[in-house]
Amino acid sequence: SQQGEEDPQALSIQEGENATMNCSYKTSINNLQWYRQNSGRGLVHLILIRSNEREKHSGRLRVTLDTSKKSSSLLITASRAADTASYFCATYPFGAGSYQLTFGKGTKLSVIP
Amino acid sequence: DAGITQSPRHKVTETGTPVTLRCHQTENHRYMYWYRQDPGHGLRLIHYSYGVKDTDKGEVSDGYSVSRSKTEDFLLTLESATSSQTSVYFCAISDLGIERETQYFGPGTRLLVL
Repeated sequence: SQQGEEDPQALSIQEGENATMNCSYKTSINNLQWYRQNSGRGLVHLILIRSNEREKHSGRLRVTLDTSKKSSSLLITASRAADTASYFCATYPFGAGSYQLTFGKGTKLSVIP
Repeated sequence: DAGITQSPRHKVTETGTPVTLRCHQTENHRYMYWYRQDPGHGLRLIHYSYGVKDTDKGEVSDGYSVSRSKTEDFLLTLESATSSQTSVYFCAISDLGIERETQYFGPGTRLLVL
């Protein structure tokens, strides 16, 4: 079953604008991760935020986590055409004995030059 | 792609034939995973391995088997392929360490079952 659900399913913005994607999940988590997938390629890990963290930055990426609402957001600032990709959130469940991630269905981001 | 290769990269096969996909890693990571990716479903875990000869089922394991006889290789077998197994298959790896939950993905195998 799908743990994370991204919103919106698709997003189109102009280059230079900020892009915000949201993820909601259902059960308690140890951490939440965001991955990027360029067309026809494998997924690439972007950032991991643990359940005791509220915000994390990496370059132009800002991730927030609200465990009370079971939601996370990924903000990409000053977007570039190269940011065009699908973005997935993935949750690592709390107390899991094996390192299994559950992925959402993704947000498809298009950045128009 | 973090020292992960998948073979073949593309395959067309017929219903009822056996198919084996190979994942090979050069990172010496302990954990290996097989996912399938389908439109509208995102990535779903098929099987995973937590060591040589140690495997377990994921969310969508029916119709698939796996084997891991060496740290570097994780094989996914479709015993008798069906059209519903047409998909893109991704292998991933992870290891112990500070961010052990992070997974690194291979380039994928596109499988078409006619």
